[in-house]
Amino acid sequence: QVQLQESGPGLVKPSQTLSLTCAVSGDSISSTGYYWSWIRQHPGKGLEWIGYIYHSGSTYYNPSLKSRITMSVDTSKNQFSLKLTSVTAADAAVYYCARLKSGGSSCLDYWGQGTLVTVSS
Amino acid sequence: DIQMTQSPSSLSASVGDRVTITCRASQNIRNYLNWYQQKPGKAPNLLIYAVSSLQSGVPSRFSGSGSGTDFTLTISGLQPEDFATYYCQQSYSALGTFGQGTKVEIK
Repeated sequence: QVQLQESGPGLVKPSQTLSLTCAVSGDSISSTGYYWSWIRQHPGKGLEWIGYIYHSGSTYYNPSLKSRITMSVDTSKNQFSLKLTSVTAADAAVYYCARLKSGGSSCLDYWGQGTLVTVSS
Repeated sequence: DIQMTQSPSSLSASVGDRVTITCRASQNIRNYLNWYQQKPGKAPNLLIYAVSSLQSGVPSRFSGSGSGTDFTLTISGLQPEDFATYYCQQSYSALGTFGQGTKVEIK
């Protein structure tokens, strides 16, 4: 059974950098055909895709966030990470990591439980 | 960007009812359409991918149909555990946008 677990600070100060890590178990992050994704959900709102990364390091970022995002993958630890710079109150949300299964209609077939990030001084 | 519009935004239904949720894409997305269920405080859970393929472990009362721009999620015989919010998501473009969600509540 594939499991994903987000970790990172729950509180970030405005203008600072949000850093989250997603640990993957039950599957190798180097598996062919899977991308590793970050999605966020503002309180009481819908889902917003932040971006995704392949084990090779290739990435796709949401254009609206692209200038502030960096994603990376650590195959030795079977985990991937998100950095979002210059955060504001608008970045407060629940952040999910998920596995994107590619091919045909690609879909997010496994998700982490989510981690709430608050932006406040 | 491809916009996904769900209707209704919310609905009230009783256990045993047949429920239909509609999702419309702003352009032709062929069969690149997925459905997710989200319960309060939990992560979304994949129900259906590629319009009508049931994810492993999902009850057969869930079904999907449609093509092009118009899609439907049907729950045949609503169960207490089905009260949740449902999202459609297109995977036609690199940025797989989600619909705004449909909340299914108990009548």
